[in-house]
Amino acid sequence: QKEVEQNSGPLSVPEGAIASLNCTYSDRVSQSFFWYRQYSGKSPELIMSIYSNGDKEDGRFTAQLNKASQYVSLLIRDSQPSDSATYLCAVNMPLGSYNTDKLIFGTGTRLQVFP
Amino acid sequence: DAGVTQSPTHLIKTRGQQVTLRCSPKSGHDTVSWYQQALGQGPQFIFQYYEEEERQRGNFPDRFSGHQFPNYSSELNVNALLLGDSALYLCASSFSGYYGYTFGSGTRLTVV
Repeated sequence: QKEVEQNSGPLSVPEGAIASLNCTYSDRVSQSFFWYRQYSGKSPELIMSIYSNGDKEDGRFTAQLNKASQYVSLLIRDSQPSDSATYLCAVNMPLGSYNTDKLIFGTGTRLQVFP
Repeated sequence: DAGVTQSPTHLIKTRGQQVTLRCSPKSGHDTVSWYQQALGQGPQFIFQYYEEEERQRGNFPDRFSGHQFPNYSSELNVNALLLGDSALYLCASSFSGYYGYTFGSGTRLTVV
């Protein structure tokens, strides 16, 4: 079982619709969860972080976390063609005895928003 | 306030050669992590540096090595390049390794 799993897509939605992206993770030790957006040929850009169960909203983006189900999701409301990108789910993994962590990424979901 | 700076942006090397990639962290950040992103994959953790020491290494061979300097900048060295080393190499910095990593724009390495 992969540590972080995402559907690779592509997920195609019409402009103005809600895009729903999902992610599951395997290790309950993870406490921090992130969504990155990556345009083709570019580096990942952090768009949302969430640390507690429930919903977190930022503009058109809502992140949802359910630690009991080990499930993280990202909703994009009023999707725009400029939202077309790969969305990477990442979870933290503590680095042993060090007071720090690393990120474990899923393979990403490609989102296509068509006019 | 400059973000994370990586150089060079693109690089083409021949199999068997050695390469050095460079990273300057965001101002105020002291921890540098390196990731490798192959085409169609998510970034994979290579290693992390803090206070000039390697804290942990991911599942990468010893051909991959690194260094962190007193000014917190870092280098990633890859020896005996293989075709499979072709990827986007990402540097991410943070403050003490927690609460949000800022990624650089990456170095695209092509091994021919």
